[in-house]
Amino acid sequence: KAGVTQTPRYLIKTRGQQVTLSCSPISGHRSVSWYQQTPGQGLQFLFEYFSETQRNKGNFPGRFSGRQFSNSRSEMNVSTLELGDSALYLCASSTTQGPLWFGPGTRLTVT
Amino acid sequence: GENVEQHPSTLSVQEGDSAVIKCTYSDSASNYFPWYKQELGKRPQLIIDIRSNVGEKKDQRIAVTLNKTAKHFSLHITETQPEDSAVYFCAASRGARVGGSEKLVFGKGTKLTVNP
Repeated sequence: KAGVTQTPRYLIKTRGQQVTLSCSPISGHRSVSWYQQTPGQGLQFLFEYFSETQRNKGNFPGRFSGRQFSNSRSEMNVSTLELGDSALYLCASSTTQGPLWFGPGTRLTVT
Repeated sequence: GENVEQHPSTLSVQEGDSAVIKCTYSDSASNYFPWYKQELGKRPQLIIDIRSNVGEKKDQRIAVTLNKTAKHFSLHITETQPEDSAVYFCAASRGARVGGSEKLVFGKGTKLTVNP
């Protein structure tokens, strides 16, 4: 099976802009989670989706949002970008009660 | 809130030696504990996981032990090889509910260097 894929892999944006990141889970996986990875804060949970519903949300401001489509693909959006949003954004998918399998991530740089 | 402490932050060993990484969690409802290995520029990869109804699990050179009373779990790598060099993350969650996985709370990571 193909692994979790994420697009784009790299992105450079300017403060104040918005960005949309995309994630395609492993075939058959209905749960998709998003994590932010930075050198200072490590891996932090953003949100989790299952069957197009947000099941869990981390402690991030409302500028961070996401959604899941009927084919389980997911997108996350960050509006009004700040310098501190520069990070590696990781998507992970899983089966029911299964472990998380991570995608390669999208490296976002905000200038 | 939920927190996972991981030690040490860096670990350097000689090839063939053993390496031990320790984590402590705060949420007593946690019952699922995976370990991930992340090589430079790559995605985190699951290397082993354990659920709270098991005290120890082994997979070749890798083992994980869990002490629920102390809220403590550890990763043991024996006969280390240079290719084991990476950052290792422990994590804890309340376990997968029907229909999906609970969020993982990660430790800050341990950079393991295995010297040839």
